[in-house]
Amino acid sequence: NAGVTQTPKFRVLKTGQSMTLLCAQDMNHEYMYWYRQDPGMGLRLIHYSVGEGTTAKGEVPDGYNVSRLKKQNFLLGLESAAPSQTSVYFCASSFELRYSPLHFGNGTRLTVT
Amino acid sequence: AQSVAQPEDQVNVAEGNPLTVKCTYSVSGNPYLFWYVQYPNRGLQFLLKYITGDNLVKGSYGFEAEFNKSQTSFHLKKPSALVSDSALYFCAVKNTNAGKSTFGDGTTLTVKP
Repeated sequence: NAGVTQTPKFRVLKTGQSMTLLCAQDMNHEYMYWYRQDPGMGLRLIHYSVGEGTTAKGEVPDGYNVSRLKKQNFLLGLESAAPSQTSVYFCASSFELRYSPLHFGNGTRLTVT
Repeated sequence: AQSVAQPEDQVNVAEGNPLTVKCTYSVSGNPYLFWYVQYPNRGLQFLLKYITGDNLVKGSYGFEAEFNKSQTSFHLKKPSALVSDSALYFCAVKNTNAGKSTFGDGTTLTVKP
């Protein structure tokens, strides 16, 4: 039982390049989330999904797109990376809407030069 | 809109002493409150939650938290700190709108031998 797995762990991009971050969970969770973590700013919600085939914008969605074609996978895409997107990205999943805690992956550290 | 405040960026305590990490929240409706811990280069791990019932909630690793509705606070406590408790701690509030969680900016706990 791996929980939430994120790939890759590290990535360096040049401005304008694109990439996709993959999140996979094996807990059959319905709800999945992408957060970014920046020093002194806590975690901010980028996009989320309440089930297979659904996605919605969070607090800071600009410059990102997501897809949830399969229940266990939630992809985060950067179409044209900018230095402001340098951050640590965390994927999380949750079994239930209100009472269940979030289960986090170990993060992807992205640097955009 | 919901919000979480962690008024202290840093808390320093000596090993064996009690510790408190503070959290206040603002939310409409019933609060669903969580504490998470983050170790270096890892994702957040769930510690404990308050949903309803007793105001004193017990969680993992000997941690507990006190919910105070009148002060809108949810402070994390431990009677006797360990050096291994040194980490970054996040308070979060979850709403019923897709289960989105809002996090505080985090408090770095340092326990000195």
